[in-house]
Amino acid sequence: DIVMTQTPLSSPVTLGQPASISCRSSQSLVHSDGNTYVSWLQQRPGQPPRLLIYKISNRFSGVPDRFSGSGAGTDFTLKISRVEAEDVGVYYCMQATQFPLTFGGGTKVEIK
Amino acid sequence: EVQLLESGGGLVQPGGSLRFSCAASGFTFSSYAMSWVRQAPGKGLEWVSAISGSGGSTYYADSVKGRFTISRDNSKNTLYLQMNSLRAEDTAVYYCAKQRGVMTTVTDFDYWGQGTLVTVSS
Repeated sequence: DIVMTQTPLSSPVTLGQPASISCRSSQSLVHSDGNTYVSWLQQRPGQPPRLLIYKISNRFSGVPDRFSGSGAGTDFTLKISRVEAEDVGVYYCMQATQFPLTFGGGTKVEIK
Repeated sequence: EVQLLESGGGLVQPGGSLRFSCAASGFTFSSYAMSWVRQAPGKGLEWVSAISGSGGSTYYADSVKGRFTISRDNSKNTLYLQMNSLRAEDTAVYYCAKQRGVMTTVTDFDYWGQGTLVTVSS
């Protein structure tokens, strides 16, 4: 199985400051069709997960442009350019290049 | 508006069975693969199973293979998960999730249900 390793586990951030989350996979996530199926999800307290980014860097409909994704191969990053109070929650990376689908362990973003 | 509504969770004894469902609306259900993802209390996300739009292809995590069965009824726009031989470690909130695009495989999930809690305990 592909292991997705997220860092940091927790990210205390001052409002208006940037935040960055890293996700590293145990093997290349380039699919045989040429795409890389890495997505990022946000889970606010008490809520189901919500898709933010798909295929490394594509923002899903309605997602603010302060969220951006980047990376290639085995290393991926989610960045929040200016953290707002509503961004508090746990963020997960996920790979769907190969079954079984796997998630990172999660990164908790909280306000300092 | 896409809606996914799970129902049927509850308390079940170890070794028991449970079947729950996810009623979908707001999109052409039969065109999209669907998945179940679970989250144990206070833990992260774990993918459980997926099924193609037609229902002809199914996929399972090793932790549930042989015990859980995913199915769908496209005439009723409903996804199911039949869980047998339940264990304490199956205790979790179970979410149904919709594949983002019309693909032959699962690539990412654009909509999630609110989840249904399954507790396996004597």
